[in-house]
Amino acid sequence: DIQMTQSPSILSASVGDRVTITCRASQSISHWVAWYQQRPGKAPNLLVFKASSLENGVPSRFSGSGSGTEFTLTISRLQPDDFATYYCQQYHSNPQTFGQGTKVEIK
Amino acid sequence: QVQLVQSGAEVKKPGASVKLSCEASGYTFTKYSIHWVRQAPGQRLEWLAWINTANGDTRYLKRVQDRVTISRDTSASTAYLELSSLTSEDTGVYFCARDRRYCNNSTCYSMFVFDFWGQGALVTVSS
Repeated sequence: DIQMTQSPSILSASVGDRVTITCRASQSISHWVAWYQQRPGKAPNLLVFKASSLENGVPSRFSGSGSGTEFTLTISRLQPDDFATYYCQQYHSNPQTFGQGTKVEIK
Repeated sequence: QVQLVQSGAEVKKPGASVKLSCEASGYTFTKYSIHWVRQAPGQRLEWLAWINTANGDTRYLKRVQDRVTISRDTSASTAYLELSSLTSEDTGVYFCARDRRYCNNSTCYSMFVFDFWGQGALVTVSS
């Protein structure tokens, strides 16, 4: 199975900050990566697919990039609603696998 | 609007089985595949199973495939997940999710990306 490793595991930031989360795949997965946001006690919410395509209705302050084995999710100006846990997911190979998550917390 | 509404929390003893349901509304059920994804306490998300709601084709995570069955009732727009021989390691929140799919020249394909999710159902396995 393809392993997805995110860094950092916890990120402390303030409203208005620019934050970047990194996800590394254990082998090349082209651009087959999605990113999700999960708030406590809620289901995940799709933000980005195909590494850089923004899902309908997702604010433009979110952006994704990368290809091969290294991918990033950037939030350009952190808003109060953005304090949550973020997961990357590869869908290059079966089974689809997720990163361990990055918790974005208030500094 | 698209909604996936799951059945409620379950408490089971080790060795028992559980069957979860996921009722879809707001779209044509047979046009989008359904997945089940689980999350053990404090752990990452884990994909478990997929069903093509149109023709019933299925796919499973290998390490649970001898214990899990995904099914659907198209007349009720509902998908199901049954998990048997439960152990404490099966404790967690189980989500159903709709496949985002992409379409090319009027043919659509599963993406294995999850665009709408149910609210989750907590399954607790404890003696």
